[in-house]
Amino acid sequence: QQQVKQSPQSLIVQKGGISIINCAYENTAFDYFPWYQQFPGKGPALLIAIRPDVSEKKEGRFTISFNKSAKQFSLHIMDSQPGDSATYFCAASKGGATNKLIFGTGTLLAVQP
Amino acid sequence: DGGITQSPKYLFRKEGQNVTLSCEQNLNHDAMYWYRQDPGQGLRLIYYSQIVNDFQKGDIAEGYSVSREKKESFPLTVTSAQKNPTAFYLCASSPDAGMNTEAFFGQGTRLTVV
Repeated sequence: QQQVKQSPQSLIVQKGGISIINCAYENTAFDYFPWYQQFPGKGPALLIAIRPDVSEKKEGRFTISFNKSAKQFSLHIMDSQPGDSATYFCAASKGGATNKLIFGTGTLLAVQP
Repeated sequence: DGGITQSPKYLFRKEGQNVTLSCEQNLNHDAMYWYRQDPGQGLRLIYYSQIVNDFQKGDIAEGYSVSREKKESFPLTVTSAQKNPTAFYLCASSPDAGMNTEAFFGQGTRLTVV
């Protein structure tokens, strides 16, 4: 019940296309869902986060869609750019505390020029 | 510049040796964390500290030890008891360990056992 399942493991998208990464969880107590972006050799950085009281949150080209009944959430990257090439991790926690975060296994995104 | 500094970036260790990874932050954050990252896996929490002189085990604490003698420092020791220590280690900090406090990560230390 503590797992967060992330797919796909890797993704190749053409420049200007839409990148979509999906995550599913089982623990209905989770109430904080962040996405992290990690470039090679660097630490992850918080990209965008959502709480289950909204179904969508948008920040620039990045959008989180949240489906509470299906226990799924996804990251959409619009107009994908080569600079977006990185590993993306979803995560979930109860109460939003950092020490309670459960991370997905990551998606390696490559945006081809 | 404010941030989290991990050193060294690369570390090689012989089997049976203990090794200490450094993590320093100048963000004045109360909480600090150590994660382990393996290929194809998400980040897994090793230890965390919410305040000076206090720390708690995470999900995979066996074979590791930490100390928190100063607010800005949270070193991690990988002991010889850790059966599979080769990994990428990430240190993070947050203003506190409560709700919705963003964690800031260092650039990591890649440990290889030779």
